[in-house]
Amino acid sequence: DADVTQTPRNRITKTGKRIMLECSQTKGHDRMYWYRQDPGLGLRLIYYSFDVKDINKGEISDGYSVSRQAQAKFSLSLESAIPNQTALYFCATSDLLGRGQGGDTQYFGPGTRLTVL
Amino acid sequence: AQKITQTQPGMFVQEKEAVTLDCTYDTSDQSYGLFWYKQPSSGEMIFLIYQGSYDEQNATEGRYSLNFQKARKSANLVISASQLGDSAMYFCATPSRITGNQFYFGTGTSLTVIP
Repeated sequence: DADVTQTPRNRITKTGKRIMLECSQTKGHDRMYWYRQDPGLGLRLIYYSFDVKDINKGEISDGYSVSRQAQAKFSLSLESAIPNQTALYFCATSDLLGRGQGGDTQYFGPGTRLTVL
Repeated sequence: AQKITQTQPGMFVQEKEAVTLDCTYDTSDQSYGLFWYKQPSSGEMIFLIYQGSYDEQNATEGRYSLNFQKARKSANLVISASQLGDSAMYFCATPSRITGNQFYFGTGTSLTVIP
């Protein structure tokens, strides 16, 4: 089974709808991240969390909110989806103490393709 | 903030040949890491290789190696003996310790391996 899972894998929705993307991990990592990927722009950080009580905004957090329900679960919500939120969304995890290879290596889920019409 | 620059939007390589993908970086951290990820057409991000700024040896992982030149702030990925399955997007990234180890990614290089 995959260490980092995301649901749904694909979603098409309409402008104004509320959408939740979910991420679960079995790696036992403390840190979790949400990124979005747009063509030609690489990945950009939306939110990150060090633990269930520590949530921080990334560079493009406007229009998004998150919830860290447990160490293993980190959800991303779009309260009122708009077309320019159409993108590929990734969840990632990393080990707080950098015990993994490369110290700060981030491990990514398979991604969620979101289309807002 | 950190910055990663990948200046090659697309690269072509003949199967079994070696190819170098360029990455230059700018960071305010004294100790930092450079990471390379592969993104095939299926979309997932696959970790390939890591180089620490204080590592004396260039990192190697199988057919992947890093040509790390600290003074030039470059961390180029070398893929030896290219295979058709190497066709993908490749991203260079570095974390920022100031912002929770947020990864800053370059815009990527699309590699196509020609049979």
